[in-house]
Parts: sequence; structure tokens; C-alpha cells
Amino acid sequence: AQKVTQAQTEISVVEKEDVTLDCVYETRDTTYYLFWYKQPPSGELVFLIRRNSFDEQNEISGRYSWNFQKSTSSFNFTITASQVVDSAVYFCALSEAGGAQKLVFGQGTRLTINP
Amino acid sequence: ETGVTQSPTHLIKTRGQQVTLRCSSQSGHNTVSWYQQALGQGPQFIFQYYREEENGRGNFPPRFSGLQFPNYSSELNVNALELDDSALYLCASSSQIGKLFFGSGTQLSVL
Repeated sequence: AQKVTQAQTEISVVEKEDVTLDCVYETRDTTYYLFWYKQPPSGELVFLIRRNSFDEQNEISGRYSWNFQKSTSSFNFTITASQVVDSAVYFCALSEAGGAQKLVFGQGTRLTINP
Repeated sequence: ETGVTQSPTHLIKTRGQQVTLRCSSQSGHNTVSWYQQALGQGPQFIFQYYREEENGRGNFPPRFSGLQFPNYSSELNVNALELDDSALYLCASSSQIGKLFFGSGTQLSVL
């Protein structure tokens, strides 16, 4: 069975600090996808990134970066120079490569950026 | 804004009643999924529809059912509501694997 664990329930930092959100996953599939979504107070989940299991290259997008390590089954997310607008609940998710697009989500990490 | 709209935004029902939630997909997306998100939890997959056929289902009882229409809009129906059905129900549409675009959800309260 697939499982995603986000051990950090809540994180609170001061603006401009760097913050890393941890994600550990379990799957028996050899091909799979990993995702991060952001859920602001409005409720809708906002897609941030999708990573194929064969692509372990780290990715950077502006202040966001992702570190995928297959050896430790981790897909961590770092926000550099955090801003108040980054405050939200962040979810890591996993899906199999084929068939229904069933995403298995972690419990989420509530990130609060204080001014 | 994703272009996925859900209605209603809030709903209050009593135990045993039936409810229908609606979702309008983003233009060009032929796949729609429904998720249930309990308070403080991650979303849980209910089912998915592709071209009007159910093609995947999570661990939810048959009283959770759905429809997808030719214009790719969708409905989620829940019969015999239970208190534990209280949650945020999210609809997501997509045209490629995993890149789901979510609506803002329907907050259902069962009393």
C-alpha cells in the first residue's frame, strides 16, 4: 500500500527565514509520481510540482526548491527567504504511474510565516 | 484561479438525508476526481471519472456515487448521510497525470 508521512504538523518561522518541509513516502511501485500542493485558507489545493520516480534531479523554481532522494524515500520542499504569503497548509502526495489518478496525500504541514 | 467551480460552497444536512454536490471542470479537462478532506487531514480519494465512466475508486462505501456528464461536469451523491461524512469535498479536473486542478470545495456539515 502507498503511504505518505509528513512528520511536521506545524511549523512557525519569522519572515525571510528558510524553511524545509519533510516528506517520506512508501510504495511498492517502481514507477510513480510525487507531488506537492499548497492549500491556502481559501481551501483550493494549488499544484506546485510533479516529479517522476525516474527523475531524481533536484528542482528549483524561484524561492522554492525540491530535494528528491529515492534512497531514503524522501521528497523534501524548501522555501528560501520565506514570506507571509507562503503561510498555508502544504501537502505531499504520491500516485502510481498508470490507471486512475489516485493521489495519496500526507497529513499536511501547516506553515505560518510571521512578519 | 483554476477554473474548477464547485457548488454549493457550504451545506448543512441531517443524518440520514441525501446530498448532491456539483463540479464544473476546467475547460478541456476530461477527467474529474473527488476527494474528501476531514478537518486537519489530507484529502482522501473517493473516485475518478474519465469520459463519463468511473475508472478508479477509493475505500468509500457504495452510498458514495457519482456522475460525469458529456460536458465533463460532475456530481457527487451521498446517500444515508452519517455524522462522519462531515468534511470538505474537493473536486479536481485534469488532462494529464497528476496535475490536478482543484476547486475550493464544498463544506458539508451533517448534524
